[in-house]
Amino acid sequence: NAGVMQNPRHLVRRRGQEARLRCSPMKGHSHVYWYRQLPEEGLKFMVYLQKENIIDESGMPKERFSAEFPKEGPSILRIQQVVRGDSAAYFCASSNMENTIYFGEGSWLTVV
Amino acid sequence: GENVEQHPSTLSVQEGDSAVIKCTYSDSASNYFPWYKQELGKGPQLIIDIRSNVGEKKDQRIAVTLNKTAKHFSLHITETQPEDSAVYFCAFQAGTALIFGKGTTLSVSS
Repeated sequence: NAGVMQNPRHLVRRRGQEARLRCSPMKGHSHVYWYRQLPEEGLKFMVYLQKENIIDESGMPKERFSAEFPKEGPSILRIQQVVRGDSAAYFCASSNMENTIYFGEGSWLTVV
Repeated sequence: GENVEQHPSTLSVQEGDSAVIKCTYSDSASNYFPWYKQELGKGPQLIIDIRSNVGEKKDQRIAVTLNKTAKHFSLHITETQPEDSAVYFCAFQAGTALIFGKGTTLSVSS
């Protein structure tokens, strides 16, 4: 999974604050995915983006969560007004057209 | 919705033994089945994948088998080593998303 860069690796936010997680895909990849992993559980799909387009956001909570992948710069997962239940590991992944998906090292969000 | 059952949830083996993890998936249209290894505090690492046009794929000590009729696929690790200890996830592609199993914690004791 070397190549998919996520930051920050660890983030602590108080309830009600905003969290912004960033992801730079592997070189040559134009497809970005965000997944969430709760403690001792598998990964849950959140959103799939290509440059400037949200392709599938069927796994995103309806409120407070948004994602973007601008023409320039990293993909951003934004969580507004965080609550304790948002505490989780958030993983970004990327792929090219051949759908082999590689993950980053994750961003661990803790809401206090 | 689509889901995948993964068994066992924990597996303990002696170094040198083989380990087998099995998954059963729901989406018969899926054509892509990857396996990931996740170590504590790290991201999932792709270790092997198989597409539906083949029934088996091998890479050194790791092999994956696929039975599309039965909707089963399995991971086989031979000659296990302590560094194989990790959580292993199966997954299948459903539309644009990967659907993951709940994971198998493999412990290899020396």
